[in-house]
Amino acid sequence: NAGVTQTPKFQVLKTGQSMTLQCAQDMNHEYMSWYRQDPGMGLRLIHYSVGAGITDQGEVPNGYNVSRSTTEDFPLRLLSAAPSQTSVYFCASSYSRPYTEAFFGQGTRLTVV
Amino acid sequence: AQKVTQAQTEISVVEKEDVTLDCVYETRDTTYYLFWYKQPPSGELVFLIRRNSFDEQNEISGRYSWNFQKSTSSFNFTITASQVVDSAVYFCALSVSPNTGTASKLTFGTGTRLQVTL
Repeated sequence: NAGVTQTPKFQVLKTGQSMTLQCAQDMNHEYMSWYRQDPGMGLRLIHYSVGAGITDQGEVPNGYNVSRSTTEDFPLRLLSAAPSQTSVYFCASSYSRPYTEAFFGQGTRLTVV
Repeated sequence: AQKVTQAQTEISVVEKEDVTLDCVYETRDTTYYLFWYKQPPSGELVFLIRRNSFDEQNEISGRYSWNFQKSTSSFNFTITASQVVDSAVYFCALSVSPNTGTASKLTFGTGTRLQVTL
């Protein structure tokens, strides 16, 4: 059972480059989200989706774009990378009910130089 | 708005000591859910426990126990007889229940790094 799969695990980008972080889950979860983890800041929500075709902004959405065309996939796009986007990114999924725990991917460590 | 405070940034203990990780939360909602996650050095996030706002029973799972007190808005986590394998960053998180009944966003604390040494 794969759970939540993120690719790549590591990435180095130059300022201004664009890229897509991939996230896929095989648990038929309706709810998916992206977080970034920075030292001393915990995890902060970037974008989330309550189902295919529905996305919304989280706490720190600027510079990121998402779409949800299928239940399984929720890619995160960096439009023009900036050094401030250097972080560890986590994708998570859960059932669309309160009181359900989120399952997290392994994380993507992104460095923007 | 929701807020979770983990005031302890880092804690160091010697193996077999007991240790308590503090978590204080803020929300105006009457229905909410609290979680603890563990992030070992390998980096993944592992779910440990959840508790809803109507269930103030404490819980024990092996060496782990959790104390939920609505009166002080706290959801503290105690590890008894700590082991080196407990070394990790521990996150407390909060979600509230929107009227739609769907899953809600998690608000995380900043985490507590626990170092257990021999």
